[in-house]
Amino acid sequence: NAGVTQTPKFRILKIGQSMTLQCAQDMNHNYMYWYRQDPGMGLKLIYYSVGAGITDKGEVPNGYNVSRSTTEDFPLRLELAAPSQTSVYFCASSYRGPGLPNTEAFFGQGTRLTVV
Amino acid sequence: AQKITQTQPGMFVQEKEAVTLDCTYDTSDQSYGLFWYKQPSSGEMIFLIYQGSYDEQNATEGRYSLNFQKARKSANLVISASQLGDSAMYFCAPPNSNSGYALNFGKGTSLLVTP
Repeated sequence: NAGVTQTPKFRILKIGQSMTLQCAQDMNHNYMYWYRQDPGMGLKLIYYSVGAGITDKGEVPNGYNVSRSTTEDFPLRLELAAPSQTSVYFCASSYRGPGLPNTEAFFGQGTRLTVV
Repeated sequence: AQKITQTQPGMFVQEKEAVTLDCTYDTSDQSYGLFWYKQPSSGEMIFLIYQGSYDEQNATEGRYSLNFQKARKSANLVISASQLGDSAMYFCAPPNSNSGYALNFGKGTSLLVTP
């Protein structure tokens, strides 16, 4: 089972460059999430989606954009990369809202991004 | 906004001993429970255990159990018979129904298990 797949695993960007972090899940999950994790910290929510065509901002959305044209894919776009976006990015998915009975969130392996 | 407090930035425990990791959360959203995740040095997020808000009994999953006190909004993780492989960061995370039930993470507790 592939689960949640993130690509790339590592990336170095120069200030001002743009890139897209890919996230794909093969579990037919409706809910998908993007988080960032700064060193020594917990994960912070960037964007989330509760189904194809529906996205909304999380706690730290500035500098990022998302789209959800299919159930499987939830790419995260960084425009004009800044050093403050150096972080580890995690994508997660769940069938329905975590916290509802028998529902957990599944995480990808993460993308380590450095902006120099 | 939810506030999740994990007061122990770092903990040490000897192999085979039990350890308790604290978590309190401040949320008006009391309908949903709380998750604990483990993050080893390799970086992946591993689901450990979930406590439903209306569960009458504390959750248990193998060597992991929760001491859940709903009125105090605390859900402490107990790891029994610690193993060297338990060395990792541990995060508690209640879901936030205002953000698509996204998990809201505390800063985590670093656990080191010593021989």
